[in-house]
Amino acid sequence: AQSVTQLDSQVPVFEEAPVELRCNYSSSVSVYLFWYVQYPNQGLQLLLKYLSGSTLVKGINGFEAEFNKSQTSFHLRKPSVHISDTAEYFCAVSDASGGYQKVTFGTGTKLQVIP
Amino acid sequence: GAGVSQTPSNKVTEKGKYVELRCDPISGHTALYWYRQSLGQGPEFLIYFQGTGAADDSGLPNDRFFAVRPEGSVSTLKIQRTERGDSAVYLCASSRSIDTEAFFGQGTRLTVV
Repeated sequence: AQSVTQLDSQVPVFEEAPVELRCNYSSSVSVYLFWYVQYPNQGLQLLLKYLSGSTLVKGINGFEAEFNKSQTSFHLRKPSVHISDTAEYFCAVSDASGGYQKVTFGTGTKLQVIP
Repeated sequence: GAGVSQTPSNKVTEKGKYVELRCDPISGHTALYWYRQSLGQGPEFLIYFQGTGAADDSGLPNDRFFAVRPEGSVSTLKIQRTERGDSAVYLCASSRSIDTEAFFGQGTRLTVV
């Protein structure tokens, strides 16, 4: 079984400042890692994913994340945030042998971008 | 349609009643997933279908919950004898296969009063 920890429930940041949303996972098997974003009154949208290969993954809207196996982390970063990035962000993990079929989500981090 | 459609968007029901939540996946997607998101929590896996069959229903909390997908397209999540603790947003997602990205609907907000 896998688990995901998002230590920060809320992260306020000024517009155009950099941001890092932290995610740590636990698993006894190889994993796939994901970041999803949920805008107000909208469904979950995949930001980026790590399946294999390069540990630095680039996603949509200028976000990127780095898979660190030794620290079991997959932190999400953006060098300069915009007001439109205000949303809730979920880190998620699945068993690599199972693909997308049974994803375990963290509790989410609300990013609040301050003008 | 262009995306995953879930109906109704909101459902209020009385404790003890039966409810059905519907999910229309993206056309051609063979895999379909149900998740439940309680207030302040991340989505929690309930069940997934590959075609018409439930490939993994290990996330269903108890036997009051049941889901079907009789023709391999539309799916219905059924909850019997609803309890206040069932109040949550129920999310549906679909993907072309289990190895490809899953797309989520906007969810059905269920409130049991």
